[in-house]
Amino acid sequence: GAVVSQHPSWVICKSGTSVKIECRSLDFQATTMFWYRQFPKQSLMLMATSNEGSKATYEQGVEKDKFLINHASLTLSTLTVTSAHPEDSSFYICSARGGGARYNEQFFGPGTRLTVL
Amino acid sequence: DAKTTQPPSMDCAEGRAANLPCNHSTISGNEYVYWYRQIHSQGPQYIIHGLKNNETNEMASLIITEDRKSSTLILPHATLRDTAVYYCIVRSRSGGGADGLTFGKGTHLIIQP
Repeated sequence: GAVVSQHPSWVICKSGTSVKIECRSLDFQATTMFWYRQFPKQSLMLMATSNEGSKATYEQGVEKDKFLINHASLTLSTLTVTSAHPEDSSFYICSARGGGARYNEQFFGPGTRLTVL
Repeated sequence: DAKTTQPPSMDCAEGRAANLPCNHSTISGNEYVYWYRQIHSQGPQYIIHGLKNNETNEMASLIITEDRKSSTLILPHATLRDTAVYYCIVRSRSGGGADGLTFGKGTHLIIQP
């Protein structure tokens, strides 16, 4: 149980285009999901917290107008990188807070590797 | 959340126990110790967590010192698939898991054949 998927697993796009990444909790409902990014040889950095039915909370230094987050259902959150540029190339990872007995745990998706040319 | 300190890298022979240390000297009374690992180009995987008692599950054991200022994650019989970066994270559970995790640099564990 507690499986989180991401789609796509990798994407290559041209500079200036927008890219949408989906994060789904497959076998549980997640009222809270988190988005992280990881640059090469670095650790994961929290970008934003996504709560179902409300606006996302962004970490300091993360542009909310560039990284649009939508959490419209209890099993799906999306991250849209708008007008992507090469410096946005990174590994984007989502996590979902567990339900029931695993309420305090976070389960991570497999990640999406974004390459902006 | 309290800060943690881990060695940047460790080697361990396949089949032997891997012991990964973590210092968290500023841990407060309501903070738990969590361990995650990240295999190359994958999302992090939860391993185990504990408050003050030693814990064991199918993946690993967690030994927390009596003063809670440090802990050790033990992989009893390491395999090549255990090669990964291991993160020790200290956090409070009072927020109901509402907070994102703060990842340090972790320990890159390399299992040698």
